Amino acid sequence: GNSVTQMEGPVTLSEEAFLTINCTYTATGYPSLFWYVQYPGEGLQLLLKATKADDKGSNKGFEATYRKETTSFHLEKGSVQVSDSAVYFCALRRRDDKIIFGKGTRLHILP
Amino acid sequence: GAGVSQSPSNKVTEKGKDVELRCDPISGHTALYWYRQSLGQGLEFLIYFQGNSAPDKSGLPSDRFSAERTGGSVSTLTIQRTQQEDSAVYLCASSWDSLSGNTIYFGEGSWLTVV
Repeated sequence: GNSVTQMEGPVTLSEEAFLTINCTYTATGYPSLFWYVQYPGEGLQLLLKATKADDKGSNKGFEATYRKETTSFHLEKGSVQVSDSAVYFCALRRRDDKIIFGKGTRLHILP
Repeated sequence: GAGVSQSPSNKVTEKGKDVELRCDPISGHTALYWYRQSLGQGLEFLIYFQGNSAPDKSGLPSDRFSAERTGGSVSTLTIQRTQQEDSAVYLCASSWDSLSGNTIYFGEGSWLTVV
């Protein structure tokens, strides 16, 4: 079946550290892949997306590359800030429009 | 509307009562999704609609849960005989369909507390 697996949190880093949040998926066909972010007290919002293999999504200094060979879409940022503290969700969207989310990874950035 | 609108934003209900949660998607969006987020948990898929049809109802936790969508727009999620374990945030989202790369937009959620 289709599923999304992301690293369990919480992840705690110091400001300016390098961030990686791993995400792998299983799916038939070629889904689109997304990262959503939920800041404290706010709703879910799209962070970035990639619609085909080797595409790189980027936004706010975050990047993720659609890797078909490893079925991965890891989220990276070179230098995190306190304001990046949030819960991050990896998701895939199938051709039939069903969207499946991972369990989320809580990120804490210490000043 | 400008965004996905959900109501009520907060609902406290007694165990055993029925509740209805409403979602008004972004105008023109044909795909509509319901998810549940429990405290400290991820997003649990409940059901989605393409137009008025629900191709996949597999995520509904029990037969106490049902959802409908009329006119290809507003959707209602109904929980009958609520239980304490139903307490969660119920999130609605919508998007254009037919292209899998389309972004989905979330509402602010309906916080349900069953006491």
